[in-house]
Amino acid sequence: GAGVSQTPSNKVTEKGKYVELRCDPISGHTALYWYRQSLGQGPEFLIYFQGTGAADDSGLPNDRFFAVRPEGSVSTLKIQRTERGDSAVYLCASSSGGGDYEQYFGPGTRLTVT
Amino acid sequence: GESVGLHLPTLSVQEGDNSIINCAYSNSASDYFIWYKQESGKGPQFIIDIRSNMDKRQGQRVTVLLNKTVKHLSLQIAATQPGDSAVYFCAALGATGNQFYFGTGTSLTVIP
Repeated sequence: GAGVSQTPSNKVTEKGKYVELRCDPISGHTALYWYRQSLGQGPEFLIYFQGTGAADDSGLPNDRFFAVRPEGSVSTLKIQRTERGDSAVYLCASSSGGGDYEQYFGPGTRLTVT
Repeated sequence: GESVGLHLPTLSVQEGDNSIINCAYSNSASDYFIWYKQESGKGPQFIIDIRSNMDKRQGQRVTVLLNKTVKHLSLQIAATQPGDSAVYFCAALGATGNQFYFGTGTSLTVIP
């Protein structure tokens, strides 16, 4: 079946611009996670949704970052006033929830801020 | 805060040999761990998991060992194949049960 998909696969933007990154989780998965992965590092947790609500947004680095999941399926990560330090691969993962922690990752969106 | 670290950033093994990748974690309250494989340009792929009430768990060609006393876990890959070449991450479930803490990864290279 279809896995987690993310669009776009690559995004180049200028410093100061606004970007939106999209994640389509596996159908029926209630839990959705966003991570950020810098070169040579492991994924770093950003935010976790259970259904439509952000159950844990403690990983968001500052208020320029925001994520939504209005219908409990697709999620959008929004970054305002992008900075060069935001350049990274942004990964989305989903799991079935209910204590099942096996996360299925998407291929990621590579964001480059010039 | 929680931290997870891998002992070696790179590992090279001959095809057919066994591979062992080690990982240490800081939070003794962590009760669930996952090993992931990440190939270039792809997201991490689940390999095997283990809960803290277990010391060992086996999958197909992979075994995870957990030593809670020294807060260490390892991933053993039997008869390593070229397709096993990738970066391997261990991840520990945080205290909130919502987020995983990932190590920095070990890059495994299999020499044919």
